[in-house]
Amino acid sequence: AQKITQTQPGMFVQEKEAVTLDCTYDTSDPSYGLFWYKQPSSGEMIFLIYQGSYDQQNATEGRYSLNFQKARKSANLVISASQLGDSAMYFCAMREGYQTGANNLFFGTGTRLTVIP
Amino acid sequence: EAGVVQSPRYKIIEKKQPVAFWCNPISGHNTLYWYRQNLGQGPELLIRYENEEAVDDSQLPKDRFSAERLKGVDSTLKIQPAELGDSAVYLCASSFDRGLGNTIYFGEGSWLTVV
Repeated sequence: AQKITQTQPGMFVQEKEAVTLDCTYDTSDPSYGLFWYKQPSSGEMIFLIYQGSYDQQNATEGRYSLNFQKARKSANLVISASQLGDSAMYFCAMREGYQTGANNLFFGTGTRLTVIP
Repeated sequence: EAGVVQSPRYKIIEKKQPVAFWCNPISGHNTLYWYRQNLGQGPELLIRYENEEAVDDSQLPKDRFSAERLKGVDSTLKIQPAELGDSAVYLCASSFDRGLGNTIYFGEGSWLTVV
């Protein structure tokens, strides 16, 4: 079974508007972390935001916020006030806790975001 | 602070030839990862090191892939012989340790094309 599912292959957003990128995850480990990365055409994976499974509040980092709904196992990324430079691939990833012993970072298939001027 | 450094950035080789990628992690980071990213997909782990020890190499195709991390700092990933299906981006990443919340930082990747 896929650990991370991103159902939107591509998304378009108007400049200065907000956009939500969807991510659902699957784990039986009560301890896990969720990450979002941005990958521009240059190829580098740029860390954006992190949410721990025990965190009570949704994570925020500047224009990025994570809409964490634990019961639904979803961790959507919200980008506010989109900019042209936000055009890139966005990956959701999960790191499971020590209980499973894995502790590796599992990625989804990504969503390509295009910001329209 | 310098990020994760990888070289070469791009490599084109003929099938059956060997190729090697080098990675220098962020200073002080004990955990080092090699990922492979095929076109249109997310990265997949090949091997993870904690200091000098390869603690997870279950996804590394050991018949043709090898890796080493001498002295627990730099790492090299080798493919010999390369096959057409090995064309991908090879990403090196590092983190302070394997703690759940520790961010994994990635390099720019080494883009391999096998012809």
